[in-house]
Amino acid sequence: GNSVTQMEGPVTLSEEAFLTINCTYTATGYPSLFWYVQYPGEGLQLLLKATKADDKGSNKGFEATYRKETTSFHLEKGSVQVSDSAVYFCALSGGSYIPTFGRGTSLIVHP
Amino acid sequence: DSGVTQTPKHLITATGQRVTLRCSPRSGDLSVYWYQQSLDQGLQFLIQYYNGEERAKGNILERFSAQQFPDLHSELNLSSLELGDSALYFCASSLERTSGRWSTDTQYFGPGTRLTVL
Repeated sequence: GNSVTQMEGPVTLSEEAFLTINCTYTATGYPSLFWYVQYPGEGLQLLLKATKADDKGSNKGFEATYRKETTSFHLEKGSVQVSDSAVYFCALSGGSYIPTFGRGTSLIVHP
Repeated sequence: DSGVTQTPKHLITATGQRVTLRCSPRSGDLSVYWYQQSLDQGLQFLIQYYNGEERAKGNILERFSAQQFPDLHSELNLSSLELGDSALYFCASSLERTSGRWSTDTQYFGPGTRLTVL
């Protein structure tokens, strides 16, 4: 079946550091790929998405590029803030794919 | 605020009991999804309804069932509860403009219902 694998956390960074959270997926064909963010005590919110290969999704300084050749959708941000502290989920869906989420990666940003 | 509401926020019950979780989607959204989030299993898709009809099933146990009513709100029924059913249950909704079976439309998540089975 389809699956999504994310790097395990927590990822701990100082403010203004560069962020990368790795995500790879297993699926045949071309699913749509998503990053969601979950703040403490809240539901998930869509952060960004890409619906076809080589698309780049971006939002709030975060970016991720759909790489079909490496089946990856790594999340990056050039300069993190304390307010970015949250749990980040990579997911695939779209077409004939049941929504499938990674286990989540906790990000902790220190001042 | 995503516009998706879930009640109750917290639910504490005993093994063997039955509970009902309720979800109201965003205004205009036709599709409702249910998810279970637990520490050991992560976020698991349970079931989806579209405009009152079941569209797809994921990892949903036979003890669990759901329905979507004419006003588009949805209920998730959990019966013969076990300790392992303790989890956060999320509902999400989307408009679902589909060209295939699954939409790439954004899913909007509710705040969740925390179920504790003692």
